[in-house]
Amino acid sequence: KAGVTQTPRYLIKTRGQQVTLSCSPISGHRSVSWYQQTPGQGLQFLFEYFSETQRNKGNFPGRFSGRQFSNSRSEMNVSTLELGDSALYLCASSLVAGSTNEKLFFGSGTQLSVL
Amino acid sequence: GDSVTQMEGPVTLSEEACLTINCTYTATGYPSLFWYVQYPGEGLQLLLKATKADDKGSNKGFEATYRKETTSFHLEKGSVQVSDSAVYFCALRAYGGSQGNLIFGKGTKLSVKP
Repeated sequence: KAGVTQTPRYLIKTRGQQVTLSCSPISGHRSVSWYQQTPGQGLQFLFEYFSETQRNKGNFPGRFSGRQFSNSRSEMNVSTLELGDSALYLCASSLVAGSTNEKLFFGSGTQLSVL
Repeated sequence: GDSVTQMEGPVTLSEEACLTINCTYTATGYPSLFWYVQYPGEGLQLLLKATKADDKGSNKGFEATYRKETTSFHLEKGSVQVSDSAVYFCALRAYGGSQGNLIFGKGTKLSVKP
């Protein structure tokens, strides 16, 4: 069974540009979450989707957005990139939402560098 | 708000040494607690978890006990191996919180020397 797949693996952009990152969850998983990982702030929750609906959103500006498609694949978009957006963006999937025993499966991430 | 505090790294140990990584949390109610591990160039993997007070999570020789009285979830291993070198993250899911919304500590980098 394939794991969580994130594309691209690396991305270099310049300030002011926008970027779209993609996440394909494990087959059958319907819940997808996104995290930003930086050396200074650690791992911070961005948002969570289940059945194409955003369930939760972290404390990030409106430049960060996401969506989920009917096949559970998810994309996140960052508009008007800033230097501080340079980070590893991790996607995680789980089978269902709302169960305390459900575990998250993480992808390897997309490393975004903003120059 | 809810938060997780774990000991700063890096931690360097010799093979077969004992490991303890401290983790304390602040949360209302009864959160679920987790330890995740991140190997170089990879995403996070769940190492162990505990969902209620006094539960002990264990996996691959690692253990952690959910201590509500001290709001702690320290990670321990009796004899580390070189292959345990990685970054370890303590995390919590708020009581009644959604599945994918975890609050992580800053991570502790462990290096094990042969």
